[in-house]
Amino acid sequence: QVQLHQWGAGLLKPSETLSLTCAVYGGSFSDYYWSWIRQPPGKGLEWIGEIDHFGSTNYNPSLKSRVTMSVDTSKNQLSLKLSSLTAADTAVYYCARVDSDGYNRPYFDYWGPGTLVTVSS
Amino acid sequence: QSVLTQPPSASGTPGQRVTISCSGSSSNIGSNYVYWYQLLPGTAPKLLISRNNQRPSGVPDRFSGSKSVTSASLAISGLRSEDEADYYCAAWDDSLSRPVFGGGTKLTVL
Repeated sequence: QVQLHQWGAGLLKPSETLSLTCAVYGGSFSDYYWSWIRQPPGKGLEWIGEIDHFGSTNYNPSLKSRVTMSVDTSKNQLSLKLSSLTAADTAVYYCARVDSDGYNRPYFDYWGPGTLVTVSS
Repeated sequence: QSVLTQPPSASGTPGQRVTISCSGSSSNIGSNYVYWYQLLPGTAPKLLISRNNQRPSGVPDRFSGSKSVTSASLAISGLRSEDEADYYCAAWDDSLSRPVFGGGTKLTVL
């Protein structure tokens, strides 16, 4: 059974950098891409980006200038950094495993429980 | 503003059948599979429906999905109190080259 556990600082100030880590247990880490997705309070889900075990990334263009994703394959972990935070970055952040349909389009079959990150002075 | 459009709320009584709609365009739902996710507070989101109408292992057959042109629907029959959750539709968008989501529908079991 695949399980994702995630952690990171929950309260940050404007202009600071968000740092979250997600550990994957069960299943293959190297056979999949891994994504970060967020949900601002009262709003819908937003895809942040994805990374594979080589460190190859794809980012949402709206966040690309501030996002850095990385992996530690020795620990089956992925990490997210989001810089220059503002209140608009307040959200629950999820990590998720990316599977693909027959046309190489991604979807998310396993998710972490989410981490609430609040940006406030 | 979400790319896919869902009603913000839905409700039903135990045992009833409810449907949640998801409207998109030719660049997303019209040309790609639709997925549905269930979000319960404090728990990991769950994939409910894959590839328009496929239920992953462990998902009860009370949940079903359908798609027609640029819209999709999630139906829940035999409604139970534990179905009270937020439901999101999702699809790949060919124009944006990224996955997109609906704004979510909060289902209340009365």
